[in-house]
Amino acid sequence: AQSVAQPEDQVNVAEGNPLTVKCTYSVSGNPYLFWYVQYPNRGLQFLLKYITGDNLVKGSYGFEAEFNKSQTSFHLKKPSALVSDSALYFCAVSGYQKVTFGTGTKLQVIP
Amino acid sequence: ETGVTQSPTHLIKTRGQQVTLRCSSQSGHNTVSWYQQALGQGPQFIFQYYREEENGRGNFPPRFSGLQFPNYSSELNVNALELDDSALYLCASSLQADPNQPQHFGDGTRLSIL
Repeated sequence: AQSVAQPEDQVNVAEGNPLTVKCTYSVSGNPYLFWYVQYPNRGLQFLLKYITGDNLVKGSYGFEAEFNKSQTSFHLKKPSALVSDSALYFCAVSGYQKVTFGTGTKLQVIP
Repeated sequence: ETGVTQSPTHLIKTRGQQVTLRCSSQSGHNTVSWYQQALGQGPQFIFQYYREEENGRGNFPPRFSGLQFPNYSSELNVNALELDDSALYLCASSLQADPNQPQHFGDGTRLSIL
């Protein structure tokens, strides 16, 4: 069975400060990990993915994620937060025939 | 390229009724997945269709069924609607049914059951 945990329901960060949104996973075999963002009344948008290779993955809109196999984590990061980054963020693990999403973390960037 | 489109955007039904939701996949994509997103929750996987065949299913009862057509568009059918079926239903398409492929989501159908 595969699972994803996002331990924080909400993260608040001041504009211009670095942000981190946490995700841990459980999966048998090699993990295929994704981050998506959801704006109000919209579907999810793909940000980035880890398949294999470098532990630091770069994605859209200046986001990056750090894969840590020993801690089974895949935290989303951005060096400098923008007010427009305020949204709901979902971590997901993908297996054959199924994708499992976390419960989401609401990111609030304060001007 | 045309993105994923879903119809209708909103729908109100009563308990016991049946509903059909529609999805047009992104151009070039042959795989469609359906998700249920309850308020304040993450999307829950319902099932996936790959080249017109069901290719995986989540923990949803048989009254949730689907179809994929030769043009890779898809339908989600729900029979005997229950109050708990009230949710945002999301369709996502991908290039192939491979776990390393990102999914491209539509904006969803908001289903309300009275």
